[in-house]
Amino acid sequence: DQQVKQNSPSLSVQEGRISILNCDYTNSMFDYFLWYKKYPAEGPTFLISISSIKDKNEDGRFTVFLNKSAKHLSLHIVPSQPGDSAVYFCAASGDYGGSQGNLIFGKGTKLSVKP
Amino acid sequence: NAGVMQNPRHLVRRRGQEARLRCSPMKGHSHVYWYRQLPEEGLKFMVYLQKENIIDESGMPKERFSAEFPKEGPSILRIQQVVRGDSAAYFCASSGGTVYGYTFGSGTRLTVV
Repeated sequence: DQQVKQNSPSLSVQEGRISILNCDYTNSMFDYFLWYKKYPAEGPTFLISISSIKDKNEDGRFTVFLNKSAKHLSLHIVPSQPGDSAVYFCAASGDYGGSQGNLIFGKGTKLSVKP
Repeated sequence: NAGVMQNPRHLVRRRGQEARLRCSPMKGHSHVYWYRQLPEEGLKFMVYLQKENIIDESGMPKERFSAEFPKEGPSILRIQQVVRGDSAAYFCASSGGTVYGYTFGSGTRLTVV
C-alpha cells in the first residue's frame, strides 16, 4: 500500500539536458511535498519543496511542478550536471508540513548524468 | 554548527544480539524521527519522539524494537534479539517541529550476521 510512488527506478540523461523525475501519490490529504537527494553512504539532503497551494516552485536549476488533480508531481533539473547523479526521493506530508512531522517517502529514482 | 549526528556509522551484530543506534539532533531541534531503509526500498517512517515522549510509533515493529529520547543525551533506537531481516540503513532526522528544516543524519548501517 504505497502512498507515494516513484515508478522509474532509474534515469539516465546527458550532461546539459533536462532531467525529469516523476512522483505520484494516492492520499489526497497530503499537502506538502519535498524532494531529497541522496548520495551513497550519506543521509538524504533536502532539495526543494512545494505546498499544495502552489503548482510550481523554482530554485536555480531545480523546479518542482505539482498537479493536484492528477496527484502527480515532477522535479525538473536543467541543465543536468554530472554532480547531480544521485538517488532522488519524493516525500509527502500532511498538515501543511506542521507538527505531524513524519514524511512518507517513495522508493527513489537513481539519476545518472553522463558527461 | 554540527548537523544530526548518528553513531556508529556501521554496526555488525550476530543474530540474537542487541543493537543500539544513537542519534544526537541538531542544536535547537527537539523533535527526532527514525527511518529505516531496506535494500532497494525507500525510507520507511518508524517513530517520532520529543524529549521524554513518544509522539508517533505507528511505523515501529511491534516486537523487539524500542526508542527513547531522554531529557539528557541522544535518542536511542534499540533492537533486541536481532535477525537477518533487521539488516538495513537506519536514518535519524531532527526538526524544530515541522518539516521545514527537517535534517537527516548520515545513517547507521546495521548488518546482522
